[in-house]
Amino acid sequence: DVKVTQSSRYLVKRTGEKVFLECVQDMDHENMFWYRQDPGLGLRLIYFSYDVKMKEKGDIPEGYSVSREKKERFSLILESASTNQTSMYLCASSLWGLAGGPRETQYFGPGTRLLVL
Amino acid sequence: GEDVEQSLFLSVREGDSSVINCTYTDSSSTYLYWYKQEPGAGLQLLTYIFSNMDMKQDQRLTVLLNKKDKHLSLRIADTQTGDSAIYFCAEVLFTGGGNKLTFGTGTQLKVEL
Repeated sequence: DVKVTQSSRYLVKRTGEKVFLECVQDMDHENMFWYRQDPGLGLRLIYFSYDVKMKEKGDIPEGYSVSREKKERFSLILESASTNQTSMYLCASSLWGLAGGPRETQYFGPGTRLLVL
Repeated sequence: GEDVEQSLFLSVREGDSSVINCTYTDSSSTYLYWYKQEPGAGLQLLTYIFSNMDMKQDQRLTVLLNKKDKHLSLRIADTQTGDSAIYFCAEVLFTGGGNKLTFGTGTQLKVEL
């Protein structure tokens, strides 16, 4: 079974702090993704990576950065946390492909609920 | 529009059928997915449909696709309390680096006794 783990389930930080959210997958997937989930807005893609040291901006990259130094690990960084970054953060991974079929479906971690005070 | 749209809430009685609707954006999407998110958990792939199909049935689940209207639906027969969750539709969009999913807003299904 594919396993995607996230370093924390719950996190409380103060405004202005630098925050690191870590994600690790054990299936040798090329693609990794970071989303935030907010009520009524669904999942919005922040950044994704389709190879080590590669990254692409998603739909809402402002205020975030990412790091992919190893294939299995994808980190999301909030350089200076703000209250509007309070959210549920979900990491996902998938095989690389262009067909978009179920073999390339995304596998999700359990999420990190971040509260910025 | 730009967004994949779903109604936010649906409430049904146990044993009834549930129908969750989705309007997607890209008529060239090859696959459309339904994901389920149980409380406190990440998303899990529930089912999918290939774009050259109109319907797909998988046990209690039936997926209907209307490409002309870009409308997707998920029907759950004999809905159980364990089906209470948030359901997301998603379409595949291709980028230079592979494919990525665009998710709908999610529909919270509540099953009442």
